[in-house]
Amino acid sequence: GAVVSQHPSWVICKSGTSVKIECRSLDFQATTMFWYRQFPKQSLMLMATSNEGSKATYEQGVEKDKFLINHASLTLSTLTVTSAHPEDSSFYICSARGGFSGGPAETQYFGPGTRLLVL
Amino acid sequence: GQNIDQPTEMTATEGAIVQINCTYQTSGFNGLFWYQQHAGEAPTFLSYNVLDGLEEKGRFSSFLSRSKGYSYLLLKELQMKDSASYLCAVIGGSQGNLIFGKGTKLSVKP
Repeated sequence: GAVVSQHPSWVICKSGTSVKIECRSLDFQATTMFWYRQFPKQSLMLMATSNEGSKATYEQGVEKDKFLINHASLTLSTLTVTSAHPEDSSFYICSARGGFSGGPAETQYFGPGTRLLVL
Repeated sequence: GQNIDQPTEMTATEGAIVQINCTYQTSGFNGLFWYQQHAGEAPTFLSYNVLDGLEEKGRFSSFLSRSKGYSYLLLKELQMKDSASYLCAVIGGSQGNLIFGKGTKLSVKP
């Protein structure tokens, strides 16, 4: 249980295009989903927190107009990187927290991540 | 402010025991997590401590002392596949989000 999927796993795109990443909780309802970014050899950096049906809360320094987050249902959140640039190339990871009974309620379960390369 | 410290790298021998320490300073505390992250992959949940003491789960154990702001992850009978980064994380944000340390890269050698 507590499986989180992400799609796509790899994206290569041209500068200026937009990229959408999906995060799904497959066997539990995720009341809260988190989006992280990780650069090589660095720790996870929280970008934003989204609760189902409400606007995402962005961390300081993260542009909400550039990184659009939608959490339309209890099993799906999407992150859209708009007008991507080479500096947006990174490993994007989502996590989900919800009513999974197999672990502490506060546990976040991570998706497999999406590697974005902007040329 | 909020701060989580853990060693950057550690090396251990296959079959041995290794202890990875983590100290934290947060404005609030609602629990501490340990995650394992293999290179190029997302973190996987290992353990959660909210009360003082030792939680044992197979070859892995995690300890917490809230008064000292200290935790450790103990790995026994090390295997080569245990080579990974181990992330200490504390629930500390206003949204209940996790605040991660920079991770400890463990290398297990034959």
